[in-house]
Amino acid sequence: DVKVTQSSRYLVKRTGEKVFLECVQDMDHENMFWYRQDPGLGLRLIYFSYDVKMKEKGDIPEGYSVSREKKERFSLILESASTNQTSMYLCASSGPNRNEQFFGPGTRLTVL
Amino acid sequence: GENVEQHPSTLSVQEGDSAVIKCTYSDSASNYFPWYKQELGKGPQLIIDIRSNVGEKKDQRIAVTLNKTAKHFSLHITETQPEDSAVYFCAAKGNNAGNMLTFGGGTRLMVKP
Repeated sequence: DVKVTQSSRYLVKRTGEKVFLECVQDMDHENMFWYRQDPGLGLRLIYFSYDVKMKEKGDIPEGYSVSREKKERFSLILESASTNQTSMYLCASSGPNRNEQFFGPGTRLTVL
Repeated sequence: GENVEQHPSTLSVQEGDSAVIKCTYSDSASNYFPWYKQELGKGPQLIIDIRSNVGEKKDQRIAVTLNKTAKHFSLHITETQPEDSAVYFCAAKGNNAGNMLTFGGGTRLMVKP
């Protein structure tokens, strides 16, 4: 079974803090994605990566950056957390055909 | 870019009834339409998908239909069971850079026993 794990299920941070969300997949997938999930807005793509050290902006990259130093790991970074970044963050990965995406359980981030 | 609208946002049905969730998309070049189910405390999981060269696909109690002319597709769940209660997302694979998925806003389905 494909497994995508995320470093934390729940996280509480203060405004202005630097926040790291980690994601690891064990299926040797080339593609990895970070989404945020908000009620009524569905899943919105923040960044994705199709190879080590490669990254592409999604629909809402502002305020975020990413890092992919190893194929299995994709990190989302909030340089200076703000209250409007309070959300559920989902990581996903997919194989070469880029169709089915496998999701992690999500990290619920609260920024106070 | 692609835009996907999903309706309704919430749906409540009695156990055994059918449930239908509808989505529309904007990019006529989109060619892949998956449906994901998200149970409480879990990430979304693919339950069925359809490609643009097919009008309908069925897998046991779930089916998806696609109308490319009208640019809409629907998820049908028959004989609903309490374990069908979840949030469902439709998505479309558009013709944008990298062919990424664009998701609808989600439908919370509640099946009452």
